[in-house]
Amino acid sequence: QVQLQESGPGLVKPSETLSLTCTVSGGSISSYYWSWIRQSAGKGLEWIGRIYSSGNIVYNPSLTSRVTMSIDTPTKQLSLKLNSVTAADTAVYYCVDYMDVWGKGITVTVSS
Amino acid sequence: EIVLTQSPATLSLSPGQRATLSCRASQSVSSSLAWYQQKPGQAPRLLIYDASTRATGIPARFSGSGSGTDFTLTISSLEPEDFAIYYCQQRSNWPPWTFGQGTKVEIK
Repeated sequence: QVQLQESGPGLVKPSETLSLTCTVSGGSISSYYWSWIRQSAGKGLEWIGRIYSSGNIVYNPSLTSRVTMSIDTPTKQLSLKLNSVTAADTAVYYCVDYMDVWGKGITVTVSS
Repeated sequence: EIVLTQSPATLSLSPGQRATLSCRASQSVSSSLAWYQQKPGQAPRLLIYDASTRATGIPARFSGSGSGTDFTLTISSLEPEDFAIYYCQQRSNWPPWTFGQGTKVEIK
């Protein structure tokens, strides 16, 4: 059974870059695709993007200018970077595998 | 971007009662619709995909129906553990996949 664990800073200052990691255990990171989804009080559940094991990436058009996703196969980690953050980026961030297994999520607050 | 509108916002029912939740799409999503359940402090859990297919391990009391723009999630007889928030998600037109705003099923 695949398990996903998000990690990263819980507090990010406005205008800085949010950087999160998702560590995959119990399965192969080379399997199909991985997604990032966030959930905020203001916007509810929001799909951020999907990264395929082939390297192809699809981003939410509303975030594409600020978001970067990557895979590090040797370490079995996924990476999410979101730059120029504002308070609107405050949310719980989840990584999700292609079988709809979700991590527990990490709360990120954008505040000075 | 496809907008999903869920109704009602809150459903107040007693254990054993039938719950009927609605999800309406701003344009046709064919049968590419999923339903999730979320409990406080937990990640969403997939219940139904392709409008009517139960995900692995989901009890038979959960059923989904609909196609095009109108979808329904039915819980035939509410168990105590079913009181939660339910979201629909369209997987037809992307990017992005979009979610509804949720329906809270609460104990009456």
